Amino acid sequence: SQTIHQWPATLVQPVGSPLSLECTVEGTSNPNLYWYRQAAGRGLQLLFYSVGIGQISSEVPQNLSASRPQDRQFILSSKKLLLSDSGFYLCAWRMGQGYGYTFGSGTRLTVV
Amino acid sequence: GENVEQHPSTLSVQEGDSAVIKCTYSDSASNYFPWYKQELGKRPQLIIDIRSNVGEKKDQRIAVTLNKTAKHFSLHITETQPEDSAVYFCAAPSGYALNFGKGTSLLVTP
Repeated sequence: SQTIHQWPATLVQPVGSPLSLECTVEGTSNPNLYWYRQAAGRGLQLLFYSVGIGQISSEVPQNLSASRPQDRQFILSSKKLLLSDSGFYLCAWRMGQGYGYTFGSGTRLTVV
Repeated sequence: GENVEQHPSTLSVQEGDSAVIKCTYSDSASNYFPWYKQELGKRPQLIIDIRSNVGEKKDQRIAVTLNKTAKHFSLHITETQPEDSAVYFCAAPSGYALNFGKGTSLLVTP
């Protein structure tokens, strides 16, 4: 069966520091991969998605970036964090259009 | 992209009553509509979905109905229990991704 791993679970980082969040999927190949952010008490905002290795689409302009160095690995990065980057970051995968997402357990990021 | 509107934003029901959450979408070509449940501090989890070739789907106490003509779909929870308390999100396709509604916070009081 397929599983999705996301880490770390919590992170407290100072303003201006770099960020790297990692997500990996097991038990499937060529998944569609996604990064969403959820501000406290708010909805799910799509940040990036990838339909293949090296293919990244960005949905919102920001100081974040994403990379997919391997088929089942998706990384969210920032060179310099802002206070507004705080939130609950969720990685997700699905087989393709017409299927639902399976979300990772999330990373709660607090920028101080 | 797809615009998904979800109502109500909060819903409080007594245990045993039914709860209904409604979503509307804008793209008539959309063909897949999932519902997610998110408990406090946890990840959203898929609870039921429906494809556009059917009008209703049921799984025990939860059901989803789809009206393609009116472009809306609804989540129905019957015989609600306190453990149904959570935030519920609807979603609709937008290109390669899903756009989510803003969520409904459901509170089931004993």
